[in-house]
Amino acid sequence: GAVVSQHPSWVICKSGTSVKIECRSLDFQATTMFWYRQFPKQSLMLMATSNEGSKATYEQGVEKDKFLINHASLTLSTLTVTSAHPEDSSFYICSARPKGGVKLYEQYFGPGTRLTVT
Amino acid sequence: AQSVTQLGSHVSVSEGALVLLRCNYSSSVPPYLFWYVQYPNQGLQLLLKYTTGATLVKGINGFEAEFKKSETSFHLTKPSAHMSDAAEYFCAVSDVTSYDKVIFGPGTSLSVIP
Repeated sequence: GAVVSQHPSWVICKSGTSVKIECRSLDFQATTMFWYRQFPKQSLMLMATSNEGSKATYEQGVEKDKFLINHASLTLSTLTVTSAHPEDSSFYICSARPKGGVKLYEQYFGPGTRLTVT
Repeated sequence: AQSVTQLGSHVSVSEGALVLLRCNYSSSVPPYLFWYVQYPNQGLQLLLKYTTGATLVKGINGFEAEFKKSETSFHLTKPSAHMSDAAEYFCAVSDVTSYDKVIFGPGTSLSVIP
């Protein structure tokens, strides 16, 4: 149980284009989903927290107009990288917190999406 | 501000040897503590966690960690390393202001030598 998927697993796009990454909780409903970014050989940095039906909360330094997050349902959150540039190339990982979970720290991670911008 | 440090960005051990990965944290109050493992090009898997109660916690794959409040540490150990343990390991703490966010350490890459 508690499986989170991401699609695509990897994507290559040209500079200036936009790319959408999906994060789905497959066997549970998630009121909260988190989006992380991981550069090679580095740790995960939280980009934003999204709650179903409301606007995402972005961490300091993350451009909300560049990284659009939508959490339209209890099982799906999307991250759209708009006007991507090579410096946006990274590994993007989402995690999901189960609905009704009493443990605030409980979250399950997706397998990640490798984005390369050429 | 909270932070997590992991001593040694890269650790090498021989197969069958003890694995010790160090983690220290700074926090105004004791946070919840976690160890995650990441295999290449994959997401994170929770190894173990400490929230309350017994300070020695056991996790999956034979790993365990001990919370030492006086030392603000949460070191990860495994008595005998397997080749399959080679991966990136992240120590993490809960954000004590909200407890819903998790703050990750820089990670330690573990290599297991045959």
